[in-house]
Amino acid sequence: QKEVEQNSGPLSVPEGAIASLNCTYSDRGSQSFFWYRQYSGKSPELIMSIYSNGDKEDGRFTAQLNKASQYVSLLIRDSQPSDSATYLCAVNNAGNMLTFGGGTRLMVKP
Amino acid sequence: GAVVSQHPSWVICKSGTSVKIECRSLDFQATTMFWYRQFPKQSLMLMATSNEGSKATYEQGVEKDKFLINHASLTLSTLTVTSAHPEDSSFYICSARSGRVTPNYGYTFGSGTRLTVV
Repeated sequence: QKEVEQNSGPLSVPEGAIASLNCTYSDRGSQSFFWYRQYSGKSPELIMSIYSNGDKEDGRFTAQLNKASQYVSLLIRDSQPSDSATYLCAVNNAGNMLTFGGGTRLMVKP
Repeated sequence: GAVVSQHPSWVICKSGTSVKIECRSLDFQATTMFWYRQFPKQSLMLMATSNEGSKATYEQGVEKDKFLINHASLTLSTLTVTSAHPEDSSFYICSARSGRVTPNYGYTFGSGTRLTVV
Protein backbone atom coordinates (compact mmCIF):
# COMPACT_ATOMS: atom_id res chain seq x y z
CA GLN A 1 0.00 0.00 0.00
CA LYS A 2 1.34 3.38 -0.98
CA GLU A 3 1.93 5.70 1.92
CA VAL A 4 1.31 8.93 0.05
CA GLU A 5 -1.30 9.07 -2.69
CA GLN A 6 -1.84 11.65 -5.38
CA ASN A 7 -3.93 11.70 -8.54
CA SER A 8 -1.44 11.45 -11.38
CA GLY A 9 -3.43 13.77 -13.63
CA PRO A 10 -2.90 15.54 -15.87
CA LEU A 11 -4.90 18.30 -14.27
CA SER A 12 -5.66 20.90 -16.89
CA VAL A 13 -6.77 24.40 -15.92
CA PRO A 14 -7.06 27.61 -17.93
CA GLU A 15 -4.72 30.48 -17.23
CA GLY A 16 -5.95 32.61 -14.34
CA ALA A 17 -7.98 29.81 -12.75
CA ILE A 18 -7.42 28.11 -9.41
CA ALA A 19 -5.61 24.78 -9.52
CA SER A 20 -6.39 22.39 -6.68
CA LEU A 21 -3.98 19.56 -5.95
CA ASN A 22 -4.74 16.88 -3.41
CA CYS A 23 -2.79 14.34 -1.40
CA THR A 24 -3.66 11.70 1.19
CA TYR A 25 -1.29 9.87 3.48
CA SER A 26 -1.56 6.72 5.53
CA ASP A 27 0.75 7.29 8.50
CA ARG A 28 -1.15 9.08 11.26
CA GLY A 29 2.17 9.82 12.96
CA SER A 30 3.26 12.05 10.10
CA GLN A 31 4.41 15.40 11.36
CA SER A 32 5.47 17.58 8.46
CA PHE A 33 4.05 18.00 5.00
CA PHE A 34 5.62 19.51 1.92
CA TRP A 35 4.70 20.45 -1.60
CA TYR A 36 7.42 20.38 -4.23
CA ARG A 37 7.30 21.48 -7.84
CA GLN A 38 9.34 19.53 -10.37
CA TYR A 39 9.92 20.56 -13.95
CA SER A 40 10.82 17.85 -16.42
CA GLY A 41 14.44 16.77 -16.03
CA LYS A 42 14.97 18.96 -12.99
CA SER A 43 15.22 18.39 -9.28
CA PRO A 44 12.23 19.13 -7.02
CA GLU A 45 11.99 22.62 -5.56
CA LEU A 46 10.14 23.36 -2.34
CA ILE A 47 6.98 25.45 -2.64
CA MET A 48 5.32 25.11 0.75
CA SER A 49 5.68 23.33 4.03
CA ILE A 50 2.92 22.94 6.60
CA TYR A 51 2.93 21.41 10.05
CA SER A 52 -0.38 22.39 11.71
CA ASN A 53 -4.00 21.88 10.79
CA GLY A 54 -5.53 24.66 8.76
CA ASP A 55 -4.40 26.88 5.94
CA LYS A 56 -1.04 28.42 5.19
CA GLU A 57 -0.75 31.05 2.50
CA ASP A 58 2.31 32.22 0.60
CA GLY A 59 1.66 34.46 -2.36
CA ARG A 60 -0.47 32.60 -4.89
CA PHE A 61 -0.08 29.33 -3.02
CA THR A 62 -2.18 28.02 -0.14
CA ALA A 63 -1.49 24.73 1.59
CA GLN A 64 -4.27 23.10 3.58
CA LEU A 65 -3.78 20.36 6.15
CA ASN A 66 -6.40 18.18 7.82
CA LYS A 67 -4.70 15.61 10.03
CA ALA A 68 -7.97 13.98 11.09
CA SER A 69 -8.74 13.18 7.45
CA GLN A 70 -5.05 12.60 6.63
CA TYR A 71 -5.36 15.01 3.78
CA VAL A 72 -3.19 17.84 2.51
CA SER A 73 -3.87 20.04 -0.48
CA LEU A 74 -2.27 22.83 -2.47
CA LEU A 75 -4.23 25.63 -4.12
CA ILE A 76 -2.62 27.75 -6.80
CA ARG A 77 -4.48 30.98 -7.51
CA ASP A 78 -4.23 32.88 -10.79
CA SER A 79 -2.52 29.90 -12.44
CA GLN A 80 0.13 30.75 -15.01
CA PRO A 81 1.53 28.65 -17.86
CA SER A 82 4.84 28.67 -15.98
CA ASP A 83 3.10 26.75 -13.18
CA SER A 84 2.82 23.77 -15.54
CA ALA A 85 4.88 21.07 -13.85
CA THR A 86 4.57 17.98 -11.71
CA TYR A 87 3.66 18.69 -8.10
CA LEU A 88 4.94 16.26 -5.50
CA CYS A 89 3.43 15.87 -2.07
CA ALA A 90 5.92 14.69 0.56
CA VAL A 91 5.36 13.60 4.12
CA ASN A 92 7.84 13.38 6.95
CA ASN A 93 7.34 11.13 9.92
CA ALA A 94 9.44 10.71 13.03
CA GLY A 95 11.75 8.52 11.00
CA ASN A 96 13.53 11.54 9.58
CA MET A 97 12.88 10.78 5.93
CA LEU A 98 10.55 12.14 3.30
CA THR A 99 8.07 9.88 1.55
CA PHE A 100 6.87 11.20 -1.78
CA GLY A 101 3.58 10.73 -3.55
CA GLY A 102 3.52 9.85 -7.22
CA GLY A 103 3.01 13.45 -8.25
CA THR A 104 0.26 15.28 -10.10
CA ARG A 105 0.99 16.73 -13.48
CA LEU A 106 -0.51 20.20 -13.85
CA MET A 107 -1.06 21.84 -17.22
CA VAL A 108 -2.05 25.50 -17.34
CA LYS A 109 -3.37 26.43 -20.75
CA PRO A 110 -2.97 30.02 -22.02
CA GLY B 1 20.19 29.55 1.77
CA ALA B 2 21.39 25.97 1.94
CA VAL B 3 22.88 24.65 -1.30
CA VAL B 4 23.76 21.13 -2.35
CA SER B 5 26.01 20.79 -5.37
CA GLN B 6 25.54 17.54 -7.29
CA HIS B 7 27.89 16.34 -10.05
CA PRO B 8 27.86 15.30 -12.75
CA SER B 9 24.52 16.60 -14.02
CA TRP B 10 24.50 13.93 -16.69
CA VAL B 11 26.67 10.97 -17.59
CA ILE B 12 26.67 8.29 -20.26
CA CYS B 13 28.60 5.12 -19.53
CA LYS B 14 29.09 1.71 -21.04
CA SER B 15 27.43 -1.33 -19.57
CA GLY B 16 29.63 -2.97 -16.95
CA THR B 17 31.46 0.17 -15.89
CA SER B 18 31.07 2.12 -12.67
CA VAL B 19 29.89 5.67 -12.20
CA LYS B 20 30.39 7.94 -9.19
CA ILE B 21 27.97 10.72 -8.31
CA GLU B 22 28.97 13.38 -5.79
CA CYS B 23 26.88 15.60 -3.59
CA ARG B 24 28.47 18.41 -1.60
CA SER B 25 26.75 20.66 0.90
CA LEU B 26 28.28 24.08 0.30
CA ASP B 27 27.28 26.13 3.30
CA PHE B 28 26.02 23.72 5.91
CA GLN B 29 26.88 20.40 7.46
CA ALA B 30 24.85 17.54 6.04
CA THR B 31 24.41 15.15 8.92
CA THR B 32 22.12 12.96 6.84
CA MET B 33 22.09 12.36 3.11
CA PHE B 34 19.23 10.73 1.23
CA TRP B 35 19.68 9.21 -2.22
CA TYR B 36 16.69 8.94 -4.53
CA ARG B 37 16.13 7.43 -7.95
CA GLN B 38 13.45 8.59 -10.34
CA PHE B 39 12.41 6.73 -13.47
CA PRO B 40 10.55 8.59 -16.24
CA LYS B 41 7.05 9.67 -15.27
CA GLN B 42 7.46 8.19 -11.80
CA SER B 43 8.00 9.73 -8.40
CA LEU B 44 11.16 9.81 -6.33
CA MET B 45 11.98 6.50 -4.72
CA LEU B 46 14.27 6.51 -1.72
CA MET B 47 17.26 4.24 -2.25
CA ALA B 48 19.24 4.75 0.92
CA THR B 49 19.89 7.00 3.88
CA SER B 50 23.35 7.71 5.16
CA ASN B 51 24.62 9.47 8.23
CA GLU B 52 28.09 10.92 8.35
CA GLY B 53 30.64 8.38 9.47
CA SER B 54 28.34 5.37 9.49
CA LYS B 55 27.09 2.78 7.04
CA ALA B 56 24.17 3.61 4.82
CA THR B 57 20.73 2.14 5.41
CA TYR B 58 19.28 0.77 2.19
CA GLU B 59 15.63 0.49 1.30
CA GLN B 60 14.16 -2.89 0.54
CA GLY B 61 15.05 -4.08 -2.93
CA VAL B 62 18.10 -1.83 -3.32
CA GLU B 63 21.35 -3.78 -3.66
CA LYS B 64 23.91 -2.33 -1.31
CA ASP B 65 26.79 -4.00 -3.17
CA LYS B 66 25.68 -2.38 -6.41
CA PHE B 67 24.94 1.09 -5.10
CA LEU B 68 27.86 2.03 -2.89
CA ILE B 69 27.29 5.04 -0.67
CA ASN B 70 30.04 6.84 1.16
CA HIS B 71 29.36 9.69 3.57
CA ALA B 72 32.85 10.23 4.90
CA SER B 73 32.45 13.88 5.84
CA LEU B 74 29.74 16.32 6.82
CA THR B 75 29.95 18.02 3.44
CA LEU B 76 30.41 15.17 0.98
CA SER B 77 28.47 12.04 0.09
CA THR B 78 28.99 9.86 -2.95
CA LEU B 79 26.92 7.23 -4.71
CA THR B 80 28.77 4.77 -6.92
CA VAL B 81 26.78 2.66 -9.33
CA THR B 82 28.93 -0.42 -9.89
CA SER B 83 28.76 -2.65 -12.94
CA ALA B 84 26.07 -0.45 -14.41
CA HIS B 85 23.44 -1.95 -16.69
CA PRO B 86 20.89 -0.26 -18.97
CA GLU B 87 18.15 -0.82 -16.37
CA ASP B 88 20.15 1.43 -14.00
CA SER B 89 19.55 4.34 -16.35
CA SER B 90 17.62 6.84 -14.28
CA PHE B 91 17.65 10.26 -12.64
CA TYR B 92 19.52 10.15 -9.35
CA ILE B 93 18.95 12.91 -6.79
CA CYS B 94 20.53 13.51 -3.42
CA SER B 95 18.94 15.37 -0.55
CA ALA B 96 20.89 16.62 2.42
CA ARG B 97 19.58 17.29 5.86
CA SER B 98 21.36 19.40 8.42
CA GLY B 99 21.00 19.05 12.14
CA ARG B 100 19.32 22.44 12.29
CA VAL B 101 15.68 23.01 11.52
CA THR B 102 15.49 25.36 8.55
CA PRO B 103 12.43 26.74 6.73
CA ASN B 104 12.13 23.59 4.68
CA TYR B 105 12.85 21.44 7.70
CA GLY B 106 16.40 20.92 6.57
CA TYR B 107 15.91 19.01 3.31
CA THR B 108 17.95 20.47 0.46
CA PHE B 109 18.01 18.72 -2.89
CA GLY B 110 20.87 18.47 -5.33
CA SER B 111 20.22 19.25 -8.98
CA GLY B 112 20.15 15.60 -9.99
CA THR B 113 22.24 13.35 -12.22
CA ARG B 114 20.86 11.83 -15.41
CA LEU B 115 22.58 8.46 -15.87
CA THR B 116 22.34 6.66 -19.19
CA VAL B 117 23.93 3.23 -19.52
CA VAL B 118 24.49 2.05 -23.07
